[in-house]
Amino acid sequence: AQTVTQSQPEMSVQEAETVTLSCTYDTSESDYYLFWYKQPPSRQMILVIRQEAYKQQNATENRFSVNFQKAAKSFSLKISDSQLGDAAMYFCAYRSDFQGGSEKLVFGKGTKLTVNP
Amino acid sequence: GAVVSQHPSWVICKSGTSVKIECRSLDFQATTMFWYRQFPKQSLMLMATSNEGSKATYEQGVEKDKFLINHASLTLSTLTVTSAHPEDSSFYICSAHRDGVEQYFGPGTRLTVT
Repeated sequence: AQTVTQSQPEMSVQEAETVTLSCTYDTSESDYYLFWYKQPPSRQMILVIRQEAYKQQNATENRFSVNFQKAAKSFSLKISDSQLGDAAMYFCAYRSDFQGGSEKLVFGKGTKLTVNP
Repeated sequence: GAVVSQHPSWVICKSGTSVKIECRSLDFQATTMFWYRQFPKQSLMLMATSNEGSKATYEQGVEKDKFLINHASLTLSTLTVTSAHPEDSSFYICSAHRDGVEQYFGPGTRLTVT
């Protein structure tokens, strides 16, 4: 079974600074997707960024980028120019991509990000 | 596009009663819907996977008879918590999947059992 590990229960960053959230995963599959979700105090899950395992290029979405290291099974999220609105729980998630595989997401335990003004 | 709603957003019920939570995909047909449970300051725990017209697939340790899931159409899935007890108090989140990769999440339902 796949597992996702987020080793940082809490992180803090100064506004306008850069922060990196860590995520490692364990799988025997070669085809899969990785995601970062944000859950603000409203508790609405918001997709931040997605990475296909077959793509070597790291995904980016505006201020958010990932460092995907497939061999190391590492998938970190970098938030640049942090804003107060970035304060939230961040969850790393895994999804299988092979034919007939499960569509369900496997979540890490989350990292609470605080942004200090 | 890809909006998922849940109703109600917050419900309080007495111990021993049943409560139904609806999950709707508003602007797309969902081939699969998922139900999660989230305790305070914890991650999402998958409870079951629901496919339209077929029985839900429950995760290990989830009581099928307590958490009844019905996926009546491609836009509606319901979770009924039967004979609710205070320990069932939690935040319940649904998500919907259509052809593609992403799951689209509902805003969640807070259940309080008194």
